[in-house]
Parts: sequence; C-alpha cells; structure tokens
Amino acid sequence: QVQLVQSGAEMKKPGASVKVSCKTFNYTFNNWGVSWVRQAPGQGLEWMGWISGYNGNTKYAHKFQDRVTLTTDTSTSTAYLDLRSLRPDDTAMYYCARDQKYSTNWFDYWGQGTLVTVSS
Amino acid sequence: DIQMTQSPSSLSASVGDSVTITCRASQSMSSFLNWYQQKPGKAPKLLIYASHSLHSGVPSRFSGRGSGTDFTLTISSLQPEDFATYYCQEYYSSPPRFGQGTKLEIK
Repeated sequence: QVQLVQSGAEMKKPGASVKVSCKTFNYTFNNWGVSWVRQAPGQGLEWMGWISGYNGNTKYAHKFQDRVTLTTDTSTSTAYLDLRSLRPDDTAMYYCARDQKYSTNWFDYWGQGTLVTVSS
Repeated sequence: DIQMTQSPSSLSASVGDSVTITCRASQSMSSFLNWYQQKPGKAPKLLIYASHSLHSGVPSRFSGRGSGTDFTLTISSLQPEDFATYYCQEYYSSPPRFGQGTKLEIK
C-alpha cells in the first residue's frame, strides 16, 4: 500500500532552520507530486507548497515563499521541506501528502506528521 | 483568493443518524472541491475528491455533492468511527485553501 513516512520531531530555536523528510513507498515517485500542509496546535490545515516528483517544478503559498524550499531525491523517492528563519508561530505538525504530477489537486495519502516546536 | 466557509463549525449527532456538512466558496469553482476526515492525533484522510468521487476504500455512506459555490458532505447512518473533524479543500485557486473544519461529536 502507498506509504509516506516522515522524519521525527524537531525542536528548534527562533531563527534556526529545519529540514523535514518524507520517504515514499509502493508507488512510482515520478508519476506524482508531493504537497506539504501544516497544522498549528488546535488549528486548521494550511497548505504550504507542492513539488512535482516528475520534473521538480514547485509552487509555494505566498506567505511561505521567502522561507520555504521544497526538494526531492528521486533516487530514494524522498521529498524534503526546508523551512528557514523559524518563529514561535511556526510551531506545528507538518504533513507531506501525495498530490498530482502537474499541479496540486487532492491529497490522497498522507505522512504521519512531523512535530516542529520553535521555542527559545 | 477564494474564501471557504464551512458550516456548522460543530455538530452533535447519534450513531445511525444522517448528517450534512456544507462548504461555501466565495466564488464559483466548478467541482474543484475535496473532503477530508481527521481524528485527534492523526493525519487527515481523503474521503471525497472532485466534489463527488469517493476515494478508494472509503465507505459508501459518505457522499459529496455540489458545484459552483455550494458543496455538501453527507454521512448517512453514522458509525462510531465517524466522529471526527471534517475539512473541505478547494483546488480551483492557488494556494488551495481549506475550510475551517467541522467537529462532529457524539450526542
């Protein structure tokens, strides 16, 4: 079955960076894309960006455009989220989810989430 | 940007009831609307995509309807495992946006 397995929880200080990995299994990575969605404690879902596993094209939500970089390693079928200049309000659960190859549509399988805590 | 308004924000119902959750968009977006279920401490799960298509493995008691600006998710004959939070999500615009969620609780 399709699986996305994310890296473990991170604790960071304000101003630092974090890199979250999302390793995928049991599907052809370059036939799909990956979106990243975050959820602050007790809050709703917020889309951050999308990357194509086919050609590495990316789209970012405007509010994250200056601080986020999405990348992939097709040799290991892994997607990465790099978030810089962390602030306390970046404390959230970060999810990767399988998306479409050419654009973002729906997220049919999700990782288990990675909790990122930003605190001094 | 498209704004998504879900209603109600919370809902109490009993096992066996039928419930409907509504999602309204600030502008017409054809059928570009999905529904997710999220249980506490878990990742969301896709239920319905493109307004009315049932994701693989999702029970047929879940159904979606609508186009344009008004969409509904109906759960017929509620089961104990259905008590969760439900989100709509549009993909007509960029960035795609989620509704604020509807928490379905046991009465």
